[in-house]
Amino acid sequence: EPEVTQTPSHQVTQMGQEVILRCVPISNHLYFYWYRQILGQKVEFLVSFYNNEISEKSEIFDDQFSVERPDGSNFTLKIRSTKLEDSAMYFCASSQTNRGGNTIYFGEGSWLTVV
Amino acid sequence: QKEVEQDPGPLSVPEGAIVSLNCTYSNSAFQYFMWYRQYSRKGPELLMYTYSSGNKEDGRFTAQVDKSSKYISLFIRDSQPSDSATYLCASTENSGGSNYKLTFGKGTLLTVNP
Repeated sequence: EPEVTQTPSHQVTQMGQEVILRCVPISNHLYFYWYRQILGQKVEFLVSFYNNEISEKSEIFDDQFSVERPDGSNFTLKIRSTKLEDSAMYFCASSQTNRGGNTIYFGEGSWLTVV
Repeated sequence: QKEVEQDPGPLSVPEGAIVSLNCTYSNSAFQYFMWYRQYSRKGPELLMYTYSSGNKEDGRFTAQVDKSSKYISLFIRDSQPSDSATYLCASTENSGGSNYKLTFGKGTLLTVNP
């Protein structure tokens, strides 16, 4: 069964450092997303990406965050200068269309710890 | 604020029990309702989705939405130890045809004891 894959599974970084989280969405999907889940909290929408541009972002997704699709398969989330409060599980997701939440598939997550 | 609220649990039941998981929501614009299952430190896995009000059944799982009371339910019949996980409800609007911005509940941790 096709799946969304994410790397790394866990990263520990020092406050102020840049972090790049990588994702390979399902191959025939066109819409890509990042969500995050702070420990013990809800899964929260960060950003959606389609046709090489951001289509929507939440208030969490400030100037410290950026996304990119550098080639035909990868989708990345960059955090420029990490803060302690960025510690969370980051989920990449993808869907074939933008209709119906039923088509959104999530990866296993990248656990980011900022120290 | 547009939110989905979920019974926090944790919920512990014996194997074979019927499990009822519930959420409420406040945003009248929500049209799609999903249940995801999440194992510890893993990604959410879609179990079921429902569009607008009504019931949907898939094997041992039944999803129910009552839009008049803004109430979402998931029933698990003949629960198994393998059903032990956190169950997340999620909703999304039908805004301009883009339904990808999911609003999640906090999740209910379910343990099914053999």
